[in-house]
Amino acid sequence: DAKTTQPTSMDCAEGRAANLPCNHSTISGNEYVYWYRQIHSQGPQYIIHGLKNNETNEMASLIITEDRKSSTLILPHATLRDTAVYYCIVRGFTGNQFYFGTGTSLTVIP
Amino acid sequence: DAEITQSPRHKITETGRQVTLACHQTWNHNNMFWYRQDLGHGLRLIHYSYGVHDTNKGEVSDGYSVSRSNTEDLPLTLESAASSQTSVYFCATSPGKTYEQYFGPGTRLTVT
Repeated sequence: DAKTTQPTSMDCAEGRAANLPCNHSTISGNEYVYWYRQIHSQGPQYIIHGLKNNETNEMASLIITEDRKSSTLILPHATLRDTAVYYCIVRGFTGNQFYFGTGTSLTVIP
Repeated sequence: DAEITQSPRHKITETGRQVTLACHQTWNHNNMFWYRQDLGHGLRLIHYSYGVHDTNKGEVSDGYSVSRSNTEDLPLTLESAASSQTSVYFCATSPGKTYEQYFGPGTRLTVT
């Protein structure tokens, strides 16, 4: 599975969009991009995933560049409850596990 | 609503004791996973199962065992607990091999 690189931490004002970047320059053609988040002391929570097209659900939007070497998770209107560690994970079609790195610690500021 | 539960949520045990952590899901998912989370290591896969009577070793399986007798449950057993197994343990389920995984609330285990 391809390695990902994320900023260690980010701040976002409450009510504004939070844009979390992820680099995955070694991604291969059959690998998906997944996003999870983990709120302190809770289990990781699935957010969204995609292969090459942009995706949107009730929680967030995922923008994947045309060359698939990077992506951005967008939380359109961040709230204090969105404060968490966000993990970008690249996993192949037949992968068994999700490799969680250190992620991005997002703090939403009132 | 379908859910995944883990019990106990907190456990303190002594070195050498056998410990079993429970994981129960009502999603009716075939795939179940056990991870441990430690500072500096992220989440690491211990064991996983793709269905009843199926079990497989993950990245850090030494000292752990699982058995799958029904769809709903995948208990994790520490045969002889060691201090190095002090960790937070998460169970996860997935409807299929290529799908996202859904995690339980976790069990914090301390081995003294």
